Amino acid sequence: DAKTTQPNSMESNEEEPVHLPCNHSTISGTDYIHWYRQLPSQGPEYVIHGLTSNVNNRMASLAIAEDRKSSTLILHRATLRDAAVYYCILRDTGGGADGLTFGKGTHLIIQP
Amino acid sequence: SAVISQKPSRDICQRGTSLTIQCQVDSQVTMMFWYRQQPGQSLTLIATANQGSEATYESGFVIDKFPISRPNLTFSTLTVSNMSPEDSSIYLCSVSRGRTGELFFGEGSRLTVL
Repeated sequence: DAKTTQPNSMESNEEEPVHLPCNHSTISGTDYIHWYRQLPSQGPEYVIHGLTSNVNNRMASLAIAEDRKSSTLILHRATLRDAAVYYCILRDTGGGADGLTFGKGTHLIIQP
Repeated sequence: SAVISQKPSRDICQRGTSLTIQCQVDSQVTMMFWYRQQPGQSLTLIATANQGSEATYESGFVIDKFPISRPNLTFSTLTVSNMSPEDSSIYLCSVSRGRTGELFFGEGSRLTVL
């Protein structure tokens, strides 16, 4: 899996939007961009993924740069429950048989 | 999604002993993955367990230390052998689903070695 770069930590206020950046300048054309998060004392959970177009689901939105060298996970209205470590991971389209390689992720702190 | 149950959820063990962690999935899966998360660290892949064949280990992990069984398509075990305090970690089981391989994780097994 290609390498990603994320800030170590970010802080935001409750009920405000949060934009979590991820740089992946060495992304290949067949790499999907996956986001996971790990809440305290829990296993990671899948958040969202995309290839080229922006994606929305009930948890978040994923904005992908036109050159695909960066992406942003958007939490539209953060709650205290969103405090977690967020991981941005590249996964090849043929990588269904492979485990993911986790980086250090971004520790998101939500202030009440 | 997938429902993944791990046992034990936590344990405290003595140095030199071994512990087997069980992972049960609610439906059949081809690949199961075992991860380790040391205190304050990210997740590291230990091995991939495919039913009917030997597990494939990542660099730095060996079968003698972390033997894995995969007797059927819904179950796997990871044994941490001859434990030392450095093995104190959370061990997580994971499965892959969907066309682009989203991973689903168990709650983890928190192991403390004294």
